[in-house]
Amino acid sequence: KNQVEQSPQSLIILEGKNCTLQCNYTVSPFSNLRWYKQDTGRGPVSLTIMTFSENTKSNGRYTATLDADTKQSSLHITASQLSDSASYICVVSELGGYNKLIFGAGTRLAVHP
Amino acid sequence: NAGVTQTPKFQVLKTGQSMTLQCAQDMNHEYMSWYRQDPGMGLRLIHYSVGAGITDQGEVPNGYNVSRSTTEDFPLRLLSAAPSQTSVYFCASSRTPGGNTIYFGEGSWLTVV
Repeated sequence: KNQVEQSPQSLIILEGKNCTLQCNYTVSPFSNLRWYKQDTGRGPVSLTIMTFSENTKSNGRYTATLDADTKQSSLHITASQLSDSASYICVVSELGGYNKLIFGAGTRLAVHP
Repeated sequence: NAGVTQTPKFQVLKTGQSMTLQCAQDMNHEYMSWYRQDPGMGLRLIHYSVGAGITDQGEVPNGYNVSRSTTEDFPLRLLSAAPSQTSVYFCASSRTPGGNTIYFGEGSWLTVV
């Protein structure tokens, strides 16, 4: 069964610190992998999208990596800010048909002053 | 440019009542979809549409109907609400299935009592 697992479930860090969120997937055939940020009470907003041939992509202080061989991805947040407090969702697209999206349950990040 | 607009934001229904969640996008996207988000789980696909007049079932379609009479609108109908349909509902749109950027609405919080 195609699955996307994220860890940790939740994380608390101090403002200014870095953190890394993990995503493991079993989706096959693979099309692309996305990271979304979801603020409390809001819809998900796209951070990055990576295809099979890409192993890193940055969006400001967010850097995503992809290892298609081990089916792992990470999202690294540098110099965290209070506004980074949100859920971060890993989404893997299955190649073919309507390119079905398989969502992870998310990592809830809290940045404290 | 409003993006994806969902209404209502909040709704409380009694078991057995029916209602429609509205979704509209102004980006001329062909692909639209509805998801539900439950605690501890990833978003799950309810129904999707690849263009006006074309709809199909997703992962969890039971108890929901959709139609796509125009490119802009994709309403989700709950036929006879059940407590198991208490959830947060998100509408999404993109230029193509699994398109580079998928835009989500702000969500509709539904409680069935």
